[in-house]
Amino acid sequence: DSGVTQTPKHLITATGQRVTLRCSPRSGDLSVYWYQQSLDQGLQFLIQYYNGEERAKGNILERFSAQQFPDLHSELNLSSLELGDSALYFCASSVAAGDTEAFFGQGTRLTVV
Amino acid sequence: QKEVEQDPGPLSVPEGAIVSLNCTYSNSAFQYFMWYRQYSRKGPELLMYTYSSGNKEDGRFTAQVDKSSKYISLFIRDSQPSDSATYLCALRGNTPLVFGKGTRLSVIA
Repeated sequence: DSGVTQTPKHLITATGQRVTLRCSPRSGDLSVYWYQQSLDQGLQFLIQYYNGEERAKGNILERFSAQQFPDLHSELNLSSLELGDSALYFCASSVAAGDTEAFFGQGTRLTVV
Repeated sequence: QKEVEQDPGPLSVPEGAIVSLNCTYSNSAFQYFMWYRQYSRKGPELLMYTYSSGNKEDGRFTAQVDKSSKYISLFIRDSQPSDSATYLCALRGNTPLVFGKGTRLSVIA
């Protein structure tokens, strides 16, 4: 158990809908990262937050947004969902912003039908 | 050219074999080189990381980095069925981790 908690584990929703994925980082970790994993693209970095502030942005679609709350948990919001958004979404956390060692959660499997 | 290239496999070896997993990369700014292991339906877990060039050993695992060739390797000695997983290389400079697509390894008893 990495100490990073993601909910829900599975999510099935229809095209056009909006969902929210939640991540609780390890105790003491200030940095949260979101990744999308699909068979053809592998693990793609979406966005990073550090102590409530956006730190880095990757290949995140405009339909997607995230935030980190004062208690350091983070939420990834996906809207206007398309079939191609079906993937595993992972959250990872680390103590500091530039840490080499990041601990991953178990992921949320999103299926858009 | 993708930033990180990794052969997806699958790679199937008998128990006890030495396994070699590799990645090539194109960005000279990468300074940290990691290997993650991902079991089916689980999140990736960090196996080991290396800073800059050189070798690093941890039990049955050895990581090698050749920055001149932009080539990194993970060797697994005396492979076990429990090593069956997908292995992802991950690289970082001043940006968050960039992952290879992963190599699926099966160790057959």
